Amino acid sequence: EDKVVQSPLSLVVHEGDTVTLNCSYEVTNFRSLLWYKQEKKAPTFLFMLTSSGIEKKSGRLSSILDKKELFSILNITATQTGDSAIYLCAVFIQGAQKLVFGQGTRLTINP
Amino acid sequence: DVKVTQSSRYLVKRTGEKVFLECVQDMDHENMFWYRQDPGLGLRLIYFSYDVKMKEKGDIPEGYSVSREKKERFSLILESASTNQTSMYLCASRTIGYTNYGYTFGSGTRLTVV
Repeated sequence: EDKVVQSPLSLVVHEGDTVTLNCSYEVTNFRSLLWYKQEKKAPTFLFMLTSSGIEKKSGRLSSILDKKELFSILNITATQTGDSAIYLCAVFIQGAQKLVFGQGTRLTINP
Repeated sequence: DVKVTQSSRYLVKRTGEKVFLECVQDMDHENMFWYRQDPGLGLRLIYFSYDVKMKEKGDIPEGYSVSREKKERFSLILESASTNQTSMYLCASRTIGYTNYGYTFGSGTRLTVV
């Protein structure tokens, strides 16, 4: 069974802190790993990772994939209250043509 | 601006009612998906459709059915709503292509069954 596991499930930090969110996976036919941010409405796309060791970066957010150890991390530096959201990790399964999601990490940034 | 539109943001239904959740996309996407989202469980796939009139069961199809008569519209049907179907329902779509794996999501329908 294809499985994606995120940790922690919930995290509360102070504004300005740096956070690391984890995503591990066990799937039959990996094609890519995606990160989404979900505030009150629709999840919005952050990153897609296909190759190991290549960091993707967007402002204060960055992510990297390790295909040998089957995990990815999402880093957020100098956090702001606007970073409060649920962060979703998903793996695209080749052949099945679908995304399998983890449980999500609920991140709360306190001022 | 391309979008996926879910007809209702909030819905309250009674146990035993037949419930229709509608999803429309304006991007000419081939694939469409219905997920439910519950705290601690993440997004779980209910049904998906590769193209018009095609449907595939996801991981939790029991108690649900779907309809895709037109490419832009994918409907989720709860044949007889039960309280354990109280959840957030998310619709998504994607176009097929070698380098495109991401979804475009709708804003979600929060369904409460009483």
